[in-house]
Parts: sequence; structure tokens; C-alpha cells
Amino acid sequence: GQQVMQIPQYQHVQEGEDFTTYCNSSTTLSNIQWYKQRPGGHPVFLIQLVKSGEVKKQKRLTFQFGEAKKNSSLHITATQTTDVGTYFCAEFMDSNYQLIWGAGTKLIIKP
Amino acid sequence: EAQVTQNPRYLITVTGKKLTVTCSQNMNHEYMSWYRQDPGLGLRQIYYSMNVEVTDKGDVPEGYKVSRKEKRNFPLILESPSPNQTSLYFCASSLSPGYTEAFFGQGTRLTVV
Repeated sequence: GQQVMQIPQYQHVQEGEDFTTYCNSSTTLSNIQWYKQRPGGHPVFLIQLVKSGEVKKQKRLTFQFGEAKKNSSLHITATQTTDVGTYFCAEFMDSNYQLIWGAGTKLIIKP
Repeated sequence: EAQVTQNPRYLITVTGKKLTVTCSQNMNHEYMSWYRQDPGLGLRQIYYSMNVEVTDKGDVPEGYKVSRKEKRNFPLILESPSPNQTSLYFCASSLSPGYTEAFFGQGTRLTVV
């Protein structure tokens, strides 16, 4: 079925370094959503991107939607321990009303 | 407080013993869904429901059943659980699928031995 490729699977950073995760689809997306799941927790909605080339910011988090609406990225500037968790993208399939999820990128802060 | 409530949070059962995981939301959402989460695979949709009495299969429906008799409740039923259904399960609801945020329950960690 339809898949969203999300990379990398893990990213180890020193606190204060930046973090980026990418999602790519083979088809043009209606929109894309981003979620964060803390260790032991449940996914929590961060943002939705709808427009081609859209860029949205939430404090140190920057979300981008590609011009062709086939890819998206989440960039965190100067990571903090509170950023630890797994970040997921999810794309909506109009054809069958399903939300298709990337495999997630786990942000790990090196001790 | 707007929330999705799942029960139980943890469950250990034996192969073949029927079980039900309950899910209830208090936001009057029409769309509800069940996911399973396995390491490295993200969230995979099991079943979803667009409204009362309307349910449809997701990507991994085999071995599961659901029902939507009331808008607020969407139980997940495993008629004859098997070890490969050991997983972390999440229920989610949203006002409009894919166009508004999904709210998730706390999760149910199921172990089938």
C-alpha cells in the first residue's frame, strides 16, 4: 500500500545541536501532519501543512512542505532534553480516508 | 477535559482467549481509528470508523474486529488472540480525518503468550 518514507530512523545529537527528520512520498499529498511521541507516551499533534512550499515555525521547530507537496521536513534548532522522543509524519489519503504514518525518527540526546 | 480513554493500559493474555479493548472519546468526533505500533514500523491502522455503524478496514485488519454502535465508543475485539498480536495499541479520534488533529488514547500494551 501507500507508504511514507521517513529518515533517519534514529538521530543521536549532543544537547544544543540541531536535528532534522525528512518524509518523502511517491505521490502528491493533500496535506501532511507531524506528531511527537515521548518515551512511554502517545502521539501528540504538532502541526499540519497544507500549502505547497509552506513553512511554519513553533519556537525552535521549523516545518516545511515541499513545493511539489511530495516531501516534508521537521528541523529542531538547538535541541534540549525536552525534545527527546520520536517524531512522526503522517499523510492523509483522500481516496480511502486513511492516515498513513512514517516509521518515525527517534531523537536521542547523547549524555 | 477533551480526551480519548482506552482500557486497559496493560494486558497479558493467553492465545485464543477473546478480549476487548475499550475506547471512548468525549469530543463528539465522528472519525475514530485503531492503530498498532511495533518497533521500526510506525503506526499501522487496523480499522477506522467514519461514523456510527460505519467501519472499514485499515492496513492490518486480520484477526481484529470493531464495532461503532455509539458515536463515543469504538471497541477493538480480538476474537482469538495470537502471539503476533503482541503490540502497543492506540485508539484515536478526530473531527475530520486528515484535516484536523488526531487525539490519541494513552495506549494499551498487549502481550499474548
